[in-house]
Amino acid sequence: GQQLNQSPQSMFIQEGEDVSMNCTSSSIFNTWLWYKQDPGEGPVLLIALYKAGELTSNGRLTAQFGITRKDSFLNISASIPSDVGIYFCAGQLSSWGKLQFGAGTQVVVTP
Amino acid sequence: GAVVSQHPSWVICKSGTSVKIECRSLDFQATTMFWYRQFPKQSLMLMATSNEGSKATYEQGVEKDKFLINHASLTLSTLTVTSAHPEDSSFYICSAGVYTGGPSGANVLTFGAGSRLTVL
Repeated sequence: GQQLNQSPQSMFIQEGEDVSMNCTSSSIFNTWLWYKQDPGEGPVLLIALYKAGELTSNGRLTAQFGITRKDSFLNISASIPSDVGIYFCAGQLSSWGKLQFGAGTQVVVTP
Repeated sequence: GAVVSQHPSWVICKSGTSVKIECRSLDFQATTMFWYRQFPKQSLMLMATSNEGSKATYEQGVEKDKFLINHASLTLSTLTVTSAHPEDSSFYICSAGVYTGGPSGANVLTFGAGSRLTVL
């Protein structure tokens, strides 16, 4: 099956710094999604990417769908304490298909 | 926006009992829902795809007789953990698809808040 590699596993950053994380896959996806999960909660969708090369922003978040369709990255600019959480990438092969999740990146923001 | 509600949010039960978890799409209809399981500090693992009016499709290694899924209506899917044991303790999360009508007519999955099961 498809393998998703997400890195880094964790990040400890100071408030105001930028954060970058990425996911790579052994095969292509047609949709890339980025979710954030707070403790004891379900994942919340941050950004959805539908087209190779697409660059999409949502406030301080920016994500890109790699040209090869096998990778995606997420950037968070000027981090704030509420950015703390676990960020997951997910790939979807078909429009109504199941998601394949990365292992997650834990972000810790210190004042 | 699309909201998926899960109930209960947490449950504690004795070993050998069965527990039912509900997943509801509150403001949209969902022909397909997905059930995930998540262990501490790990990613979400898909257990099964729940299809309204038909049998669920289980992922490899998931016991269908232990994790019973019923999707009787377009807004409700249930997961029943039968004869629960301590190793079934986990965070169970459901999701449902919302058609966005985006560039590829993509289906964006919205997740419930999860249900924490503890089996004593």
